[in-house]
Amino acid sequence: GAVVSQHPSWVICKSGTSVKIECRSLDFQATTMFWYRQFPKQSLMLMATSNEGSKATYEQGVEKDKFLINHASLTLSTLTVTSAHPEDSSFYICSAGHGGNTEAFFGQGTRLTVV
Amino acid sequence: GQNIDQPTEMTATEGAIVQINCTYQTSGFNGLFWYQQHAGEAPTFLSYNVLDGLEEKGRFSSFLSRSKGYSYLLLKELQMKDSASYLCAVREGDYKLSFGAGTTVTVRA
Repeated sequence: GAVVSQHPSWVICKSGTSVKIECRSLDFQATTMFWYRQFPKQSLMLMATSNEGSKATYEQGVEKDKFLINHASLTLSTLTVTSAHPEDSSFYICSAGHGGNTEAFFGQGTRLTVV
Repeated sequence: GQNIDQPTEMTATEGAIVQINCTYQTSGFNGLFWYQQHAGEAPTFLSYNVLDGLEEKGRFSSFLSRSKGYSYLLLKELQMKDSASYLCAVREGDYKLSFGAGTTVTVRA
């Protein structure tokens, strides 16, 4: 299947700093990528849809000024958590479609811990 | 939006069969997926249904009834490594997936 690479796998940052997470489709072009957040023992919650060359679409309740998404190329989307706080500590996962009626492919996920 | 419901937890013994049910309500159904997720890891794809009926893939099978808004994932010949969370996800449009809360399956010896 197609490969989606997410980096870093884990990151610890101080409260008030910003963290950038990258999501790359390695062997296909993805005009659309998705960013999810998952708190312990909960399911994946869609945060936003990242569209190549245009603004991201955010789900209700997600602050677009806090979670900056950039999809500058067909193989790369980035999520920047700005002014991180401990409550932002979570597992962030990206996914990309491969076209047609196929499954979305997930990155490895990023465990963010804000101290 | 969607309402996706699945049981929170299930327990079964090694070698047994477990069926995980999922019901959903959606305005633009375009496929139902099942994913397996081990703790601290990203979900991995198990199965996909877009038409009514049963899809079989080795020890795992998935069933869909669009008219009833219902699906199930059947795990046969359970192994210890099958202990994980199983996520039911509904797709609207081309790629957007919405997930249920997940069912934690515990396999006991």
